[in-house]
Amino acid sequence: NAGVTQTPKFRVLKTGQSMTLLCAQDMNHEYMYWYRQDPGMGLRLIHYSVGEGTTAKGEVPDGYNVSRLKKQNFLLGLESAAPSQTSVYFCASSTALANEQFFGPGTRLTVL
Amino acid sequence: KQEVTQIPAALSVPEGENLVLNCSFTDSAIYNLQWFRQDPGKGLTSLLLIQSSQREQTSGRLNASLDKSSGRSTLYIAASQPGDSATYLCAVRSTDKLIFGTGTRLQVFP
Repeated sequence: NAGVTQTPKFRVLKTGQSMTLLCAQDMNHEYMYWYRQDPGMGLRLIHYSVGEGTTAKGEVPDGYNVSRLKKQNFLLGLESAAPSQTSVYFCASSTALANEQFFGPGTRLTVL
Repeated sequence: KQEVTQIPAALSVPEGENLVLNCSFTDSAIYNLQWFRQDPGKGLTSLLLIQSSQREQTSGRLNASLDKSSGRSTLYIAASQPGDSATYLCAVRSTDKLIFGTGTRLQVFP
């Protein structure tokens, strides 16, 4: 099993550009999450999904959109990138809310 | 609002020492607490998950305890090795969210 994978690993954007980050998991998990990690602030939840076709806002959702069209995939979109969105983005999944979360390797995004 | 604090922010110890990493949280109404390890430039690896009804969990040289009433958890690492060098994160589940601490950066030198 590959576990949780993220594409791409690195990306540089200019302010105002858009992009989509892809997260895929092969563990048949119902729950998927997108976090961002910034120095000195820990990981913060952006959006999450409790199942195919559902999404919910996390702690810092502004400027991001998500979609969960297939159970194994969770997409994070930036419609108009801003320098404040420079961060490392992590995807995670779990069988249930109360269960252990498994993380992907991360995507390092720089917005100039 | 739940807040999670990890002290110290950084720790450097010689190989072979037993050590304790601390995690504190402000709201004792939690579902569970999870400890992670993060290597530089990598993702998070789950180490231990303690449900709110449990007092401790053990995996190899790692032992994590949970005291909900005092809002504290400790991660005990026995006989530390250079390969244990990493950042250790604790995260508390409150309602539907996992709230992370900022981590303790551990360096174990030979």
